[in-house]
Amino acid sequence: DIQMTQSPSSLSASVGDRVNITCRPSQNIYNYLNWYQQRPGEAPKLLIYYGFNLQSGVPSRFSGSGSETDFTLTISSLQPEDFATYYCQQSLRVPRTFGQGTKLDIK
Amino acid sequence: QITLKEFGPTLVKPTQTLTLTCTVSGDSMRTDGVGVGWIRQPPGQALEWLALVYWDDDKRYSPSLKTRLTIAKDTSKNQVVLTVTNMDPEDTATYYCAHLNRRDAFDIWGQGTVVTVSS
Repeated sequence: DIQMTQSPSSLSASVGDRVNITCRPSQNIYNYLNWYQQRPGEAPKLLIYYGFNLQSGVPSRFSGSGSETDFTLTISSLQPEDFATYYCQQSLRVPRTFGQGTKLDIK
Repeated sequence: QITLKEFGPTLVKPTQTLTLTCTVSGDSMRTDGVGVGWIRQPPGQALEWLALVYWDDDKRYSPSLKTRLTIAKDTSKNQVVLTVTNMDPEDTATYYCAHLNRRDAFDIWGQGTVVTVSS
């Protein structure tokens, strides 16, 4: 299985901050990397697919970058609704593994 | 507008078989390149990918659970069924079904259904 390692596991930030979350797969996954946001009590929501493509309806303050074994999700200016848990997921191999999550909360 | 909703029991006993149904509205599961998958999330833990079925009935399973999982698609009813045999308390989780887009990302999720395994 491809192991997905996210860092940090948790992060405290303020409204307006710029935040980066990193995802490192255990092997090269080219650009087969998706990012999801999950608010408490809700289902996950797709933010970014295939490394850098912004899902329709997702604010442009979210962006994805990277390739192969090093990916980053950036939120350019945090808004109150962005405090949530974020997951990366690889879509190259079965099983389509998820990272352990990064919990973003208010400082 | 595609929506998905999961149906199934909230409580099962150890060793029993769990059957979950995902009803897909607003989309034909015959559309090339798409699919439906199942993902679960134990309380307070991360997401775990379980299985998926593509529009052409091609199926994929998590190797660690493969012997216990079956996924099946009924296109006429727009439903996808997941069965999990030999349930254990460690299978207690929220189970989600999700629509897989052509770029192999889960773009639309059901609300999830909570399943507790307890005697």
